[in-house]
Amino acid sequence: KNEVEQSPQNLTAQEGEFITINCSYSVGISALHWLQQHPGGGIVSLFMLSSGKKKHGRLIATINIQEKHSSLHITASHPRDSAVYICAADNYGQNFVFGPGTRLSVLP
Amino acid sequence: SQTIHQWPATLVQPVGSPLSLECTVEGTSNPNLYWYRQAAGRGLQLLFYSVGIGQISSEVPQNLSASRPQDRQFILSSKKLLLSDSGFYLCAWTGVGQAYLNEQFFGPGTRLTVL
Repeated sequence: KNEVEQSPQNLTAQEGEFITINCSYSVGISALHWLQQHPGGGIVSLFMLSSGKKKHGRLIATINIQEKHSSLHITASHPRDSAVYICAADNYGQNFVFGPGTRLSVLP
Repeated sequence: SQTIHQWPATLVQPVGSPLSLECTVEGTSNPNLYWYRQAAGRGLQLLFYSVGIGQISSEVPQNLSASRPQDRQFILSSKKLLLSDSGFYLCAWTGVGQAYLNEQFFGPGTRLTVL
């Protein structure tokens, strides 16, 4: 069993749909990161969570420490949201364990 | 503002040749620095991290090594490349102090193809 798992592996949505990507982890963490990797490979950090919920524009990330589960939500999805979304478990900055990624395609 | 640079952006090297990838950070002091690799069709893997000059921790045994000759410079090297070294290499940094609470910032990456 992988230490960090994501679902779904692939996701295709129509523009405007509400999207949820899930992440479950089995390791102890100090924080959980959500990353966005664009088709060219560049990676952008979206959120870093240690508890509760964070919101940036149309993106919302939540984490439940007791259940070791985090979700990334995208409201009113747009084709430019198409990317691979990766969650990463952070053990005090010294040991990052990455999920396999969720490939999102948003169709116009 | 802080900026992270990586070069080269792309690299094609024959098996057995040496490798040197460089990462530099501007606008911050004493960052924690990281090297990651993403093999084709696979997830990110942490290779090395450094909390200071000359301090390198390796996460996985491999054909690669890392060095930090200056505070804001992180170098990934190999003496003899293997086919399995092909991949996308990313450098990242976090700030000082409570580093485990800090966000990671990624460089643009180097795409390495070993033939």
